[in-house]
Amino acid sequence: DIQMTQSPSSLSASVGDRVTISCRASQGISNYLAWFQQKPGKAPKSLIYAASSLQSGVPSKFSGSGSGTDFTLTISSLQPEDFATYYCQQYNSYPFTFGPGTKVDIK
Amino acid sequence: EVQLLESGGGFVQPGGSLRLSCTASGFTFSSSSMSWVRQAPGKGLEWVSVITGSGGSTYYADSVKGRFTISRDISMNTLYLQMNSLRAEDTAVYYCAKLLEHWGQGTLVTVSS
Repeated sequence: DIQMTQSPSSLSASVGDRVTISCRASQGISNYLAWFQQKPGKAPKSLIYAASSLQSGVPSKFSGSGSGTDFTLTISSLQPEDFATYYCQQYNSYPFTFGPGTKVDIK
Repeated sequence: EVQLLESGGGFVQPGGSLRLSCTASGFTFSSSSMSWVRQAPGKGLEWVSVITGSGGSTYYADSVKGRFTISRDISMNTLYLQMNSLRAEDTAVYYCAKLLEHWGQGTLVTVSS
């Protein structure tokens, strides 16, 4: 099975900050990587698929990059509604696997 | 508008069974890959199972293989998850998802004696 890791596990940031979250796969997954946002008590929301393609309706402050084993989610200017937990998921091979999540909270 | 509505969650004793349902609308269900993802209390997301849109192939996480069965009724636009031999560690909110895109609101399954 492909293992996914994320760093950092949590971070504190201020409104307006640029935030970067890393995701690493234990073996190459090409660009079969998605990013999700989850707020407390809510269902996850899909942000990015194919490593860098934005889902419809997702603001352009979110961007994704990477290929192979190393990936990055960037939020260009953090807003109050962006404080949440972010997960990456590989869908290159079954079983699909999620990273452990990165919690972004207010500094 | 895409909508996914889960139902069927509840309280069950260890060793028991439960069937979750997810009613879909707003997209072509028959050609869409659909998945179940769960989240134990205070924990991260865990992928559970998928049924592919094209041929209806099914795949499972090792933790549920042999106990859970994913299926769909295309005529009813409904996805199912039959859960047997339930364990305490299966306690979670179960989400239905149109693969990589849309998520339901989740249904809570509690396994406890």
